[in-house]
Amino acid sequence: NAGVTQTPKFQVLKTGQSMTLQCAQDMNHEYMSWYRQDPGMGLRLIHYSVGAGITDQGEVPNGYNVSRSTTEDFPLRLLSAAPSQTSVYFCASSRDGSYEQYFGPGTRLTVT
Amino acid sequence: QQQVKQSPQSLIVQKGGISIINCAYENTAFDYFPWYQQFPGKGPALLIAIRPDVSEKKEGRFTISFNKSAKQFSLHIMDSQPGDSATYFCAASSIKTGGFKTIFGAGTRLFVKA
Repeated sequence: NAGVTQTPKFQVLKTGQSMTLQCAQDMNHEYMSWYRQDPGMGLRLIHYSVGAGITDQGEVPNGYNVSRSTTEDFPLRLLSAAPSQTSVYFCASSRDGSYEQYFGPGTRLTVT
Repeated sequence: QQQVKQSPQSLIVQKGGISIINCAYENTAFDYFPWYQQFPGKGPALLIAIRPDVSEKKEGRFTISFNKSAKQFSLHIMDSQPGDSATYFCAASSIKTGGFKTIFGAGTRLFVKA
């Protein structure tokens, strides 16, 4: 199993550009989530999904959109990138939602 | 807002020493307290976790101590090794708190000197 995969590993955007961060898992997990990691702030939940077609907001959802059309994929969209969105983004999945989460390797995003 | 407060921010320990990282939470509905370990350039990975019905859990050199009345829990790393140098995150979660939202502490950067 590849586990949780994320692409790209690195990305530089200009303010106002849009892009999609890809996340996929091959463990047949129902629950998937997106976090951003900033120095001194730990991991903060952006959006999460409890199954295909079902998504909800986390702690810091503004500026991000998600959709979940399949169990395997959970892309994160930045509609109009801002410098405040410079961060490392992690996708995670879990079997039963609240407990052990499996994280991808992360995407380091810089917005100039 | 639900919070998990973690301390210290950074920690330097001699090889063979004991590393101790502390966390405190607010919401008594939390029923799962994991610790994640993160190496540079990697995603966090589950290290050890505890439920509030026990006061201690040990796995090898890693031990979680849990104090339900004080709403505090801590990670002890015995016989710390240079390979333990990483960032450690405590977290708390519960099915009851409107879904499965896991709240993470701010992280502790541990450096073990050889």
